[in-house]
Amino acid sequence: NAGVTQTPKFQVLKTGQSMTLQCAQDMNHNSMYWYRQDPGMGLRLIYYSASEGTTDKGEVPNGYNVSRLNKREFSLRLESAAPSQTSVYFCASRDGGGRGEKLFFGSGTQLSVL
Amino acid sequence: RKEVEQDPGPFNVPEGATVAFNCTYSNSASQSFFWYRQDCRKEPKLLMSVYSSGNEDGRFTAQLNRASQYISLLIRDSKLSDSATYLCVVPRGGSQGNLIFGKGTKLSVKP
Repeated sequence: NAGVTQTPKFQVLKTGQSMTLQCAQDMNHNSMYWYRQDPGMGLRLIYYSASEGTTDKGEVPNGYNVSRLNKREFSLRLESAAPSQTSVYFCASRDGGGRGEKLFFGSGTQLSVL
Repeated sequence: RKEVEQDPGPFNVPEGATVAFNCTYSNSASQSFFWYRQDCRKEPKLLMSVYSSGNEDGRFTAQLNRASQYISLLIRDSKLSDSATYLCVVPRGGSQGNLIFGKGTKLSVKP
């Protein structure tokens, strides 16, 4: 099992450009998440999907859109990138609520917006 | 009180030392708590889960104090490989999917 795979690992954009971060998990998890991590800010939730067909906003959704394409895939789109979106992005998945759940993270995407 | 608050450190300790981190949380309804470890430029990975008063796994002990709303992580006999940032994670009440991450405590173990 590959776990959670996210692409690309690195990306440089110019202000105003668009891009989609891809995420896929092969653990048959129901819930998937997109986080961003900035120095001194910790991990902040952008969007999450509790199950296939549903998506919900997290703490910092402005400037982003998501698509839960199927149970495996959850993509994050920046329609018009801004320098404030320079960050490290992590996709994660877990089986669902309740005790014993564990978040599995992808290896991250370093995004720079110039 | 902030939703999740941790001492950012850094904690600089010699090998073999015992070190403890605290994490305070505001949601008194939270039932489960987690400590994640994050190495530099890597993804976070689950270190320990805490459901009742505490949990022990080898050199690591996590304790929960519901009355004072804090959890702690104790590392005994520190190894160089323990150097990392330790993230306290608390579920946000009412939402299945939402976990709140602390900003992390950085630990540096020196020879």
